[in-house]
Amino acid sequence: AQSVTQLGSHVSVSEGALVLLRCNYSSSVPPYLFWYVQYPNQGLQLLLKYTSAATLVKGINGFEAEFKKSETSFHLTKPSAHMSDAAEYFCAVSSLRGGSNYKLTFGKGTLLTVNP
Amino acid sequence: DAGITQSPRHKVTETGTPVTLRCHQTENHRYMYWYRQDPGHGLRLIHYSYGVKDTDKGEVSDGYSVSRSKTEDFLLTLESATSSQTSVYFCAISEYRAPGYTFGSGTRLTVV
Repeated sequence: AQSVTQLGSHVSVSEGALVLLRCNYSSSVPPYLFWYVQYPNQGLQLLLKYTSAATLVKGINGFEAEFKKSETSFHLTKPSAHMSDAAEYFCAVSSLRGGSNYKLTFGKGTLLTVNP
Repeated sequence: DAGITQSPRHKVTETGTPVTLRCHQTENHRYMYWYRQDPGHGLRLIHYSYGVKDTDKGEVSDGYSVSRSKTEDFLLTLESATSSQTSVYFCAISEYRAPGYTFGSGTRLTVV
């Protein structure tokens, strides 16, 4: 079985401050890991993904995440928050287990608020 | 969301009526998924399809059925809508042995 835990359902930062959104996963096989972003009344957009290449993954809009196997973590960071980063962020885990598709399991999401 | 469209975008229906949501893709991807999104629950898998006429249940499949008669279309049917099925429904697609999904824009369903 695979699962994702996002620590903190709501994170609030000031504009220009560091953004840190936490994600821990559980998987019995080597995982693929993803961060998606959802802006209000929109679908989910892929921010970045880890697929067993470099452990530090860079995504769109200045976000990056580091895969740490020993900590089973995949935390999302951005050095300086912008007002436009306000959205809900979802971490997801996927693995190929005896089949040919990668079913995604999502965390419950973290709502990021950016204060001026 | 290029290559994947959901219809309708919004729907209000009465308790006890059947409802069908449509997902259409132009990417020729093998896998299609239906998720529901609810506050505090994230996204939960309802059903998925791994080919024409090949479908399987997800974690919250009770009260839902699906059909896929063509590669490009995946239908989600609520046999008899209940208020607990008020939600935002997302369709997603993925390629054979490729990680990551592309999502549709969602359908907001309200059951009154």
